[in-house]
Amino acid sequence: GAGVSQSPSNKVTEKGKDVELRCDPISGHTALYWYRQSLGQGLEFLIYFQGNSAPDKSGLPSDRFSAERTGGSVSTLTIQRTQQEDSAVYLCASSPQVNEQFFGPGTRLTVL
Amino acid sequence: QQQVKQSPQSLIVQKGGISIINCAYENTAFDYFPWYQQFPGKGPALLIAIRPDVSEKKEGRFTISFNKSAKQFSLHIMDSQPGDSATYFCAASQRRGSTLGRLYFGRGTQLTVWP
Repeated sequence: GAGVSQSPSNKVTEKGKDVELRCDPISGHTALYWYRQSLGQGLEFLIYFQGNSAPDKSGLPSDRFSAERTGGSVSTLTIQRTQQEDSAVYLCASSPQVNEQFFGPGTRLTVL
Repeated sequence: QQQVKQSPQSLIVQKGGISIINCAYENTAFDYFPWYQQFPGKGPALLIAIRPDVSEKKEGRFTISFNKSAKQFSLHIMDSQPGDSATYFCAASQRRGSTLGRLYFGRGTQLTVWP
């Protein structure tokens, strides 16, 4: 079946602009995660959605970052007033249960 | 603070050799330890995972060894092949508590297998 999909695959933007990154999880997966992968770094947790529960936003690095998940499926990560340090690969993962996470291909964001 | 520490940062192995990557953790509440494999331009793919009630898990050429008392776990790749060349990440999470399901990753090991 189809895996996790993310769009766009690449995004180049100018400093100060807002960007939206989209994640389509695997159908039926109740949990959805966003991570950020910077050059030479591991994966950094950003936010976690589980069913209808309030999301765990503890990993968001600043209030410029927000995310929503509509209808328990598609999720959008929004970065406002982008900065150069936001340049990274943003990865989405979904899970049918706790722990086992399946990752999408990521969105490579470049802020000029 | 890095919750999971991974070494080495890079590893070069000859075809047919054994690749060994090590990880250590501090949080004793962690109870799930996966390894992910990532090829350039792709997202990480789950390779193998272990829970702390067993000391070893084997799937094909891949084996996780787990030492609960030392809070360490390692990935062994037997008969390493050029196609195994990738970046490997260890991770840890807990099934209960406020950080439910959140994966804490090591910084990764870039494995190169020479033919």
